[in-house]
Amino acid sequence: SYELTQPPSVSVSPGQTARITCSGDALPKQYAYWYQQKPGQAPVLVIYKDSERPSGIPERFSGSSSGTTVTLTISGVQAEDEADYYCQSADSSGTLVFGGGTKLTVL
Amino acid sequence: QITLKESGPTLVKPTQTLTLTCTFSGFSLSTSGVGVGWIRQPPGKALEWLALIYWNDDKRYSPSLKSRLTITKDTSKNQVVLTMTNMDPVDTATYYCAHSLAARSNWFDPWGQGTLVTVSS
Repeated sequence: SYELTQPPSVSVSPGQTARITCSGDALPKQYAYWYQQKPGQAPVLVIYKDSERPSGIPERFSGSSSGTTVTLTISGVQAEDEADYYCQSADSSGTLVFGGGTKLTVL
Repeated sequence: QITLKESGPTLVKPTQTLTLTCTFSGFSLSTSGVGVGWIRQPPGKALEWLALIYWNDDKRYSPSLKSRLTITKDTSKNQVVLTMTNMDPVDTATYYCAHSLAARSNWFDPWGQGTLVTVSS
């Protein structure tokens, strides 16, 4: 079955830039989406269609795509950005899939 | 403002059938391009997509769970129902429903608050 691969954890200091990657063979042909999930809360969409930012999401969140890897970048990380981040996409048949999640720790 | 809320049993026994209802407001499931999906998350684990129903009643299921899942909609009641048969303790998870749109593939925004379902005898 199709898989999206994320690093289990990323750590950054406040004010630095965090980059979270997501790899999958179908990503060149399928959009990627990113969700932020804080403890005890439902996921929140932070990036859609690789690089679009929903209204209400801070500008420090951005997304990019290159080949089989998409990247969520958080510039000027703040303590409130500490959360789990999940990428989501689809395989060639349209089956939706989530990555394994990345825990972002703000040191 | 779009809101969704999941409802259903918090405890089911192994082999039983789980029925969850998603009640939503702020959009119509008869509008072209709109869908509602179900996603679950076992405690401490990753998100897993389960099923999706579209405005035109097209339905998609996770291949690994397809034989156990049924998704239906009641447009007049603004509800989507998910049934999962033959429940097992490994199905213990928080179950979320979410509003969905599509561009090549679907995304989910916003999500309901989720409901924790425990499978235990």
